[in-house]
Amino acid sequence: NAGVTQTPKFRILKIGQSMTLQCAQDMNHNYMYWYRQDPGMGLKLIYYSVGAGITDKGEVPNGYNVSRSTTEDFPLRLELAAPSQTSVYFCASSRTSGRNEQFFGPGTRLTVL
Amino acid sequence: AQSVSQHNHHVILSEAASLELGCNYSYGGTVNLFWYVQYPGQHLQLLLKYFSGDPLVKGIKGFEAEFIKSKFSFNLRKPSVQWSDTAEYFCAVNDMDSSYKLIFGSGTRLLVRP
Repeated sequence: NAGVTQTPKFRILKIGQSMTLQCAQDMNHNYMYWYRQDPGMGLKLIYYSVGAGITDKGEVPNGYNVSRSTTEDFPLRLELAAPSQTSVYFCASSRTSGRNEQFFGPGTRLTVL
Repeated sequence: AQSVSQHNHHVILSEAASLELGCNYSYGGTVNLFWYVQYPGQHLQLLLKYFSGDPLVKGIKGFEAEFIKSKFSFNLRKPSVQWSDTAEYFCAVNDMDSSYKLIFGSGTRLLVRP
């Protein structure tokens, strides 16, 4: 199993550009998550999904959008990129919530200039 | 809102030294507790977790953690660290009211000198 995969690994955007961060998992997990990690701040939940077609906001959703058309894929869309969105983005998945371990992807390092 | 505090942001140890990393959380109800580790250039992976039962839990690579409910703490320990333990360590908590949502601490960067 590949686990959780993310593309791209690195990206530089100009202010106002848009992009989609890709995330896929092959573990047939129902739950998927997007986090951002800022230096010294830990991970903050952006959006999560409990299954195909169902998404909801986390702690820091502003400036982002998600969709979940299949169990495997959970892309994160940045519209009108801003310097405040410079961060490392992690996608994760879990079988269910609560006691289940979340499995993380390798991350995407995004810089907005 | 629930919060997780990791008071040590940077820790430097020599090999064979003992390690204890602090983690405190704010929620007063039933919680699930996790420690994740991020080795340089790698993704986060689970070290250990606590849900119920014996408050002393053992994880991978010789790590253990103790849940002390009265202190709202879940400290991570290892009796003798190795150079390969150099990594960033994150404590995380979720509660029964919002069980999908993991709240992470700010992380502790551990450097083990050979």
